[in-house]
Amino acid sequence: QKEVEQDPGPLSVPEGAIVSLNCTYSNSAFQYFMWYRQYSRKGPELLMYTYSSGNKEDGRFTAQVDKSSKYISLFIRDSQPSDSATYLCAMSAGEKLVFGKGTKLTVNP
Amino acid sequence: GAVVSQHPSWVICKSGTSVKIECRSLDFQATTMFWYRQFPKQSLMLMATSNEGSKATYEQGVEKDKFLINHASLTLSTLTVTSAHPEDSSFYICRTGSGNQPQHFGDGTRLSIL
Repeated sequence: QKEVEQDPGPLSVPEGAIVSLNCTYSNSAFQYFMWYRQYSRKGPELLMYTYSSGNKEDGRFTAQVDKSSKYISLFIRDSQPSDSATYLCAMSAGEKLVFGKGTKLTVNP
Repeated sequence: GAVVSQHPSWVICKSGTSVKIECRSLDFQATTMFWYRQFPKQSLMLMATSNEGSKATYEQGVEKDKFLINHASLTLSTLTVTSAHPEDSSFYICRTGSGNQPQHFGDGTRLSIL
């Protein structure tokens, strides 16, 4: 079993839809959870950063962490075509990050 | 704005050439820099961790003599791909590391070896 599992998609939604992206993990030592957005041929851009369990909201983005289920989610409300990108989950117990494979999202106008 | 500046963004060169990639931290001191490689439709794979003033730590399977990492100052880390071959063609990305605070990536270098 891989440390971090993420459905690679692709995921295609209409503009304005609510998008749900998820990752599961197996290492119970992970304490820090991140979501990155990566546009084609660019470096990942940090979107959300959470510590331990709970929810965090930033504008149209909400990150949820459920450590009991080893499951994290990213919700995007009122999705826009500019949200089209690959979304990577990442997590760590220290400085080394372990990444999911990324989910490719396309928001259609 | 960018907190990590990575150059070049894209390089094409002949097989056997050595290529140097630079990552500079802007407005802060990066004691640790992580170097990743990303193949198409794959996740980021950690290659090595460099700490300022000391030898880099390489992940299993990564040839340290082929991927030379230098972290001579708190603002600059370099990765040199020596005698590059087509199988080294990939997207190389650096990331700062400073404890457990949110991290920042460079914009990546697309390396194409002919």
